[in-house]
Amino acid sequence: QQQVKQSPQSLIVQKGGISIINCAYENTAFDYFPWYQQFPGKGPALLIAIRPDVSEKKEGRFTISFNKSAKQFSLHIMDSQPGDSATYFCAAKAAGNKLTFGGGTRVLVKP
Amino acid sequence: GAGVSQSPSNKVTEKGKDVELRCDPISGHTALYWYRQSLGQGLEFLIYFQGNSAPDKSGLPSDRFSAERTGGSVSTLTIQRTQQEDSAVYLCASSLAGKGTEAFFGQGTRLTVV
Repeated sequence: QQQVKQSPQSLIVQKGGISIINCAYENTAFDYFPWYQQFPGKGPALLIAIRPDVSEKKEGRFTISFNKSAKQFSLHIMDSQPGDSATYFCAAKAAGNKLTFGGGTRVLVKP
Repeated sequence: GAGVSQSPSNKVTEKGKDVELRCDPISGHTALYWYRQSLGQGLEFLIYFQGNSAPDKSGLPSDRFSAERTGGSVSTLTIQRTQQEDSAVYLCASSLAGKGTEAFFGQGTRLTVV
């Protein structure tokens, strides 16, 4: 059972464009929603995270939007740059339990 | 400070052999995860240790896979009688206990079964 569904699987965007990645979850006990960025040959690294008591969190060009009633959250990358080309994973966690990851989105930013 | 350290970084083994992969978590981190990532694929959960609680082994794909965590620190993932489909990058992560704490990943061990 896939508890966190992520889409799209891949995304191509022009430099300066907006990349949008969506995730949906089922478990209402989840209370922490991080996004991880992974470059080839490296382990994933935390990019930005949100708690369900807020609807949006922004850090630089990266924004998480969270819709608790729809059980959905998304990552927006504004002014996308070639250096943003990576695989992005959403995740969700309930207190005391493991991190559950989405399937990942490969983002390619064309110069 | 030191991050999550995994060894070896690369391992080539013959089909049927046993392998041990090691993870040194960040000091003080009580939670430790193992994930498997096949080429270009997502993160497949294997096992989760949290403090002194019984580990969540629900992701281990077969009884050939086992893991232990000694003294609440170092963890070893053992794969017995390796098969070619075990070839993947094995990632370890650790975090503090509590709500909403960041999990830090190691660089992974690339396992190739020939």
